[in-house]
Amino acid sequence: DTAVSQTPKYLVTQMGNDKSIKCEQNLGHDTMYWYKQDSKKFLKIMFSYNNKELIINETVPNRFSPKSPDKAHLNLHINSLELGDSAVYFCASSQEPGPYEQYFGPGTRLTVT
Amino acid sequence: KNQVEQSPQSLIILEGKNCTLQCNYTVSPFSNLRWYKQDTGRGPVSLTIMTFSENTKSNGRYTATLDADTKQSSLHITASQLSDSASYICVFPNSGYALNFGKGTSLLVTP
Repeated sequence: DTAVSQTPKYLVTQMGNDKSIKCEQNLGHDTMYWYKQDSKKFLKIMFSYNNKELIINETVPNRFSPKSPDKAHLNLHINSLELGDSAVYFCASSQEPGPYEQYFGPGTRLTVT
Repeated sequence: KNQVEQSPQSLIILEGKNCTLQCNYTVSPFSNLRWYKQDTGRGPVSLTIMTFSENTKSNGRYTATLDADTKQSSLHITASQLSDSASYICVFPNSGYALNFGKGTSLLVTP
């Protein structure tokens, strides 16, 4: 059984479009995260939600809007896509915010043309 | 400023051989140190989480060490397998417990 799943796995779209990436975890965790991995392979935190509430919001353009309908889901909506948004986006979850294991999804490769 | 340096940047070893990857850090305050493995095209997978008081922690063929005095950690891989080919990343949590990833060490195990 997949612990953290993301859809879609690949997403190719044109500049200016709006797209969403979905994430679901079946681990019963309270905390979920979105990370972005750019072409240099660095993974950087974007957002973190705990119990459906935003707790971390790094310097991310407001074109990116996370939404957590419930503790098991954290979706990422991106408006007006730009070429620089091309990256791999990873969702992760942990039991709570704190020194707990973080479990990552398989990633969504977004390509903006 | 918190810094993490890993060495080597990349490494090629023969299947069955051992190897050791290094992580030097200047992170304050120190909460814990994690080693993650990331296969190409996949999400990172946690290998170990080490707190300040732990010197050594093993996970199968992976053994991590931590020297808090010298601010060094190492990841030793015993009897390498082809499936060990991946990036190995030394990771620290920030104050909000999101993780700060470096570029890691790229390991290639060849037959």
